Amino acid sequence: QVQVVESGGGVVQPGRSLRLSCAASGFTFSTYGMHWVRQAPGKGLEWVAGIGYDGSFRWYVEPVKGRFTISRDNSKNTLHLQMNSLRREDTAVYFCAREADTAMDLWGQGALVTVSS
Amino acid sequence: QAGLTQPPSVSKGLRQTATLTCTGNSNNVGNQGAAWLQQYQGHPPKLLSYRNNNRPSGISERFSASRSGNTASLTITELQPEDEADYYCSAWDSSLSVWVFGGGTNLTVL
Repeated sequence: QVQVVESGGGVVQPGRSLRLSCAASGFTFSTYGMHWVRQAPGKGLEWVAGIGYDGSFRWYVEPVKGRFTISRDNSKNTLHLQMNSLRREDTAVYFCAREADTAMDLWGQGALVTVSS
Repeated sequence: QAGLTQPPSVSKGLRQTATLTCTGNSNNVGNQGAAWLQQYQGHPPKLLSYRNNNRPSGISERFSASRSGNTASLTITELQPEDEADYYCSAWDSSLSVWVFGGGTNLTVL
């Protein structure tokens, strides 16, 4: 079954760190660019970070630059998002998404990250 | 960072046609076109079309997309109750090297 499944969400205090993972299955993970997209409660979609198929290119939205790091392990079909110095405004559902032909065509169910003291 | 512009809400009657718009610039929508996503409350987004008017397998022909200059459009014909959802457009911005989304349009079928 072609799918991506996020894990690692939870409640974390401001300033602390959290690492999200995304397990891919049913397709050749190493040939696709991958992304993290978040959605704050009641808000729209916001692209967070993306990584090329071999990890050689990485892109970030401005508010997370220097705090978040996207990475991938093609040997384990896994995508990660290391989130440091978390802020209340980072509270959101974080989706893992596969990129194909200028679109994000496969989405996970999402992982909820709540930044609160 | 600049995003894409979508009307917050659209309302149309059952079996009517709705056209949703998404306005960007020459670096995003006007460059590689836009993709369209459908999202129900509490669920992940689902891709409806990409590269302006290509539909993934399983997407109804009632959904069609187009582009004119820097504006992309999604047309939904023969509106059904299950079409009530939020619709987002997205595109790669080649100038900013970021993906941008529209704010989303909530479609109501009356």
